[in-house]
Amino acid sequence: QKEVEQDPGPLSVPEGAIVSLNCTYSNSAFQYFMWYRQYSRKGPELLMYTYSSGNKEDGRFTAQVDKSSKYISLFIRDSQPSDSATYLCAMNSNYQLIWGAGTKLIIKP
Amino acid sequence: NAGVTQTPKFRVLKTGQSMTLLCAQDMNHEYMYWYRQDPGMGLRLIHYSVGEGTTAKGEVPDGYNVSRLKKQNFLLGLESAAPSQTSVYFCASSTGGSPLHFGNGTRLTVT
Repeated sequence: QKEVEQDPGPLSVPEGAIVSLNCTYSNSAFQYFMWYRQYSRKGPELLMYTYSSGNKEDGRFTAQVDKSSKYISLFIRDSQPSDSATYLCAMNSNYQLIWGAGTKLIIKP
Repeated sequence: NAGVTQTPKFRVLKTGQSMTLLCAQDMNHEYMYWYRQDPGMGLRLIHYSVGEGTTAKGEVPDGYNVSRLKKQNFLLGLESAAPSQTSVYFCASSTGGSPLHFGNGTRLTVT
């Protein structure tokens, strides 16, 4: 069993929809949780970064962490075609990151 | 504002050939990393460095070597390429924690 599980998708939704992306993990020692966005043929870029359980909001994006369930989510409101990308979750308890496989998201105009 | 630059962008090798991938960062970061990305596997750490002159093994180090002679550069070498090393290779740098700053990758095919 992988330490971090993430549905690879693809997830296809119409423009304007609310998108929910999720990861589950098994290591209760993970303390930092991140979401990276990766456009085709580009490197990943940091989107959201959280430390504790609860919600963190940044514009149309909300990151949610539930440590008791070992479950993290990324919500995208009013999704745009420019949000089409692969979203990777990552988490760590020290300087090494453990990555999910990434979910490919397609926003249809 | 270059950030992390990887060269080359693409490369095709025959089995048994060698090559070096170069990563350069201009952010004065102490930590540098080499990852490979394969479909369905996510990012897997090959080697990393916590400072000039230091290197350490990651999750999948076999078949690769690295060197960090200068703080801004991190080289990844393949001494005898194998088809299993066909992948997209990403270099990243950081101050020691998140966030990692990534380059745009090197796409390597080994035939």
